[in-house]
Amino acid sequence: GAGVSQTPSNKVTEKGKYVELRCDPISGHTALYWYRQSLGQGPEFLIYFQGTGAADDSGLPNDRFFAVRPEGSVSTLKIQRTERGDSAVYLCASSFSTDNEQFFGPGTRLTVL
Amino acid sequence: QKEVEQNSGPLSVPEGAIASLNCTYSDRVSQSFFWYRQYSGKSPELIMSIYSNGDKEDGRFTAQLNKASQYVSLLIRDSQPSDSATYLCAAGGGSASKIIFGSGTRLSIRP
Repeated sequence: GAGVSQTPSNKVTEKGKYVELRCDPISGHTALYWYRQSLGQGPEFLIYFQGTGAADDSGLPNDRFFAVRPEGSVSTLKIQRTERGDSAVYLCASSFSTDNEQFFGPGTRLTVL
Repeated sequence: QKEVEQNSGPLSVPEGAIASLNCTYSDRVSQSFFWYRQYSGKSPELIMSIYSNGDKEDGRFTAQLNKASQYVSLLIRDSQPSDSATYLCAAGGGSASKIIFGSGTRLSIRP
């Protein structure tokens, strides 16, 4: 079956601009996660959803970052007033709610100039 | 700060030998543990999950968990050049929850 998909695969933007990153989880997976990964580091947790609600948003670095999952499937990560330090690969993962095996999408590489 | 620690490597192992990767975690309430493989420029790929103390085998891979020592390991038997990648260790809660990743160990299998 289809895996987790993310769009766009690459996004280049200018400092101060707004960006949206999209994630489409594996069909039937109720939990959806956002991570970001910088070069040479492991993925860093941002937020996860159980259904439509954010169950844990403790990893969001500041109020410029926001994520939604209005219908319990597709999620959008929104970053306002982007900064050069936001440049990273943003990874989305999904899992069944009964275990914690998370399957990752291909990621979106965000570059803020 | 809840942490997962791994030796960054690189770990160089001859083809056909056993590669041993190690990881420690600081949060005693962690219940689920994972090994992911990540090729350069690609996203992490789940290769093993383990939830109970002891060993879990899947093909050439064996995961080992010791909760008393807060230690997780991954053994790769009959190492192949295609096993050359970064291996990420991660720990999390029992059901759906965030997982904390280590920084990864770079493994290189030399022919």
